[in-house]
Amino acid sequence: DTAVSQTPKYLVTQMGNDKSIKCEQNLGHDTMYWYKQDSKKFLKIMFSYNNKELIINETVPNRFSPKSPDKAHLNLHINSLELGDSAVYFCASSPTPSGGRKTQYFGPGTRLLVL
Amino acid sequence: GDSVTQMEGPVTLSEEAFLTINCTYTATGYPSLFWYVQYPGEGLQLLLKATKADDKGSNKGFEATYRKETTSFHLEKGSVQVSDSAVYFCALNTGNQFYFGTGTSLTVIP
Repeated sequence: DTAVSQTPKYLVTQMGNDKSIKCEQNLGHDTMYWYKQDSKKFLKIMFSYNNKELIINETVPNRFSPKSPDKAHLNLHINSLELGDSAVYFCASSPTPSGGRKTQYFGPGTRLLVL
Repeated sequence: GDSVTQMEGPVTLSEEAFLTINCTYTATGYPSLFWYVQYPGEGLQLLLKATKADDKGSNKGFEATYRKETTSFHLEKGSVQVSDSAVYFCALNTGNQFYFGTGTSLTVIP
């Protein structure tokens, strides 16, 4: 009974390639997020979408492009991969309850290694 | 701006020891506060949360109280187990933004 799922779980690729990571949530949430976690476990927000509309777009190289075909999906496409892109990428989702109090639910992560 | 500061790790404890991981926050307005736990090789899981001052969140023997006067949300557990070994993240939510601390790695040894 998966809540937030990501594919693939592991991704090993060469520098310069283009790759995509997919995220789906079956929780009926309105908002989805992408985070990058580095080797020191530091979490950095990258993007957030609410009902398919981009609402958070942090300082991220424009090689990273999110796409939300519907509110249950938020995919991340990365062009011209670089060594520094190696990290764990987490998708998350949250509802929009009354009063605006949100809780995030995370996917299992995609471990990207760029060689 | 809004932010979360949590205790630097790593923390190593013996089984059954008392755990405290400190977390303080800076926020305008009235944020919700969270502790997330990340077990090795897994994603972040919500451990507990509190949405207003003096609320106490609790789960699996862990507790944290939302203290507005000290802007803190310290995580405590009376008796840790080896299975509690993980990275713990303090976080706050205001509006659309979530802010995470840098994580505290906990290792519990038998």
